[in-house]
Amino acid sequence: EIVMTQSPATLSVSPGERATLSCRASQSVSSNLAWYQQKPGQAPRLLIYGAATRATGIPARFSGSGSGTEFTLTISSLQSEDFAVYYCQQYNNWPYTFGQGTKLEIK
Amino acid sequence: EVQLVESGGGLVQPGGSLRLSCAASGFTFSHYWMSWVRQAPGRGLEWVANIKQDGSEKYYVDSVKGRFTISRDSAKNSLDLHVNSLRAEDTAVYYCARGKYFFDFWGQGTLVTVSS
Repeated sequence: EIVMTQSPATLSVSPGERATLSCRASQSVSSNLAWYQQKPGQAPRLLIYGAATRATGIPARFSGSGSGTEFTLTISSLQSEDFAVYYCQQYNNWPYTFGQGTKLEIK
Repeated sequence: EVQLVESGGGLVQPGGSLRLSCAASGFTFSHYWMSWVRQAPGRGLEWVANIKQDGSEKYYVDSVKGRFTISRDSAKNSLDLHVNSLRAEDTAVYYCARGKYFFDFWGQGTLVTVSS
């Protein structure tokens, strides 16, 4: 099973600033990586798939990059609605596995 | 508008069973793989199972193999997860999600609590 490790566990950033979240895979997952956003009491929302392709309706301030074992989600200018927990997920190898999440909080 | 609505969760004793259901609307259900993903309270996400469009392929995470069964009915646009021999560690919100590899639409989830 591929282990996905996200860092940091908690990230404190001020509105309007840039946030950079990291995700590392225990072995290569090529570009088969997705990012999700989850707010309290809500289901996850797909942000990015294929490591860098934004899902339908996702604002351009969200961008994904990386391949192999190292991936990054960048939010270019944080809006109040962006403070949430973010998960990465690999779908290169079964079983598909998620990271433990990064909580993005207001500084 | 794509909608996925789960039902069937509840409190069950260890060793018990439940049938979780997901009603799909707003898209052509028969065209998509469907999945179940769960989230233990305060924890991260875990993919549980998925099923091909025609039901001919099904996959499960090892921890639920032999205990959980995924099925679908395209005539009713519904997805089911039969959960048997439940354990405390199966306590979670169970989400129905569209997709095989990644999940572009999710339901609101149904809570399964396994406790005596």
